[in-house]
Amino acid sequence: KQEVTQIPAALSVPEGENLVLNCSFTDSAIYNLQWFRQDPGKGLTSLLLIQSSQREQTSGRLNASLDKSSGRSTLYIAASQPGDSATYLCAVKGSQGNLIFGKGTKLSVKP
Amino acid sequence: KAGVTQTPRYLIKTRGQQVTLSCSPISGHRSVSWYQQTPGQGLQFLFEYFSETQRNKGNFPGRFSGRQFSNSRSEMNVSTLELGDSALYLCASSLIGLANTGELFFGEGSRLTVL
Repeated sequence: KQEVTQIPAALSVPEGENLVLNCSFTDSAIYNLQWFRQDPGKGLTSLLLIQSSQREQTSGRLNASLDKSSGRSTLYIAASQPGDSATYLCAVKGSQGNLIFGKGTKLSVKP
Repeated sequence: KAGVTQTPRYLIKTRGQQVTLSCSPISGHRSVSWYQQTPGQGLQFLFEYFSETQRNKGNFPGRFSGRQFSNSRSEMNVSTLELGDSALYLCASSLIGLANTGELFFGEGSRLTVL
């Protein structure tokens, strides 16, 4: 059974700092991995989608990497801003097609 | 291009009642999936519909059901509501089904409170 873990559960950093969010999964047989952002009381906003054949994806200040063999993905946020404060979720798509989500990392960027 | 639209956004029900939530996917998207989000369990997959057929189902009791119409709009229904059904219900649409490598786009959710 696929399990997705995100560490840390919460993170507070000063504005301008570069940071890394971690996601690990137990079954390496995945189709893709997607990173989302969720603001309080809101839905999920897709940030980056990495297919199983890819190693990384970049969008603006965000870079996500995928290492299937070790069951890990990282989300790198450069030059963090207060507007980046949100909960970041990773989700893997497994063999049955449904998404398995981690519990998320709550990020707070202090001005 | 309009995003995924979920209605209603907020609703309050009492135990034993039933509720129907609606989801309109992004135009052209044929796959709609539903998720329940609670503080304790996080996001959990309910089911997926593709071309009016349920293709995947999560580990939820039969009180949770859904359907998809020919225009790809989807509804989910929860009967005999329990306090533990209080949650944010999220709908996501995808151009192709979950079994493929499609990116998911989520709506704002319907927040259900059961009293």
